[in-house]
Amino acid sequence: DAKTTQPTSMDCAEGRAANLPCNHSTISGNEYVYWYRQIHSQGPQYIIHGLKNNETNEMASLIITEDRKSSTLILPHATLRDTAVYYCIVKVGANNLFFGTGTRLTVIP
Amino acid sequence: DTAVSQTPKYLVTQMGNDKSIKCEQNLGHDTMYWYKQDSKKFLKIMFSYNNKELIINETVPNRFSPKSPDKAHLNLHINSLELGDSAVYFCASSQEGGWGGQYFGPGTRLTVT
Repeated sequence: DAKTTQPTSMDCAEGRAANLPCNHSTISGNEYVYWYRQIHSQGPQYIIHGLKNNETNEMASLIITEDRKSSTLILPHATLRDTAVYYCIVKVGANNLFFGTGTRLTVIP
Repeated sequence: DTAVSQTPKYLVTQMGNDKSIKCEQNLGHDTMYWYKQDSKKFLKIMFSYNNKELIINETVPNRFSPKSPDKAHLNLHINSLELGDSAVYFCASSQEGGWGGQYFGPGTRLTVT
């Protein structure tokens, strides 16, 4: 599995866009980029995933660079409930998610 | 309705005991998983299982065994509990061949004294 690198922590003002970067320079052509988050004391929650194209859903947008070596998760209007640890994961298929240390996002009022 | 449920939510037990954690999913998924999250919050896959294959993370002690009575359930049995087994255990499920996202349960906090 390709490894990912994320900043340890980030802050974001409430109502602003939160941009969470992820480097995955060793990603291979058939590996997807997945984002999950874990709110304190809860199970991880799927957010979004993509392969090559940018993706958007009701929760977030995923921007993947053309060379696929990095990506950015965008929460367009962060709320206090978005405070969580965000994990960027690259993998093939459905099995065996390998979680790194993630980015602890704190949304500040 | 809860998609992935686990029982119990909290489990406190003594060293050497044998215990089980139950997991049920009502999503119709055919693959289920167990993860362990230790005190440093590092989340690690333990098993993935569907009706064809059990994949075991090689670092998991054989005191841990998953048992699946049917497609909707994957229970985790732990024999001879040790202090180091204290952690939060998460169950998850996904659809093989689908988009690959996993749905997680709320977790079971196991404390071994």
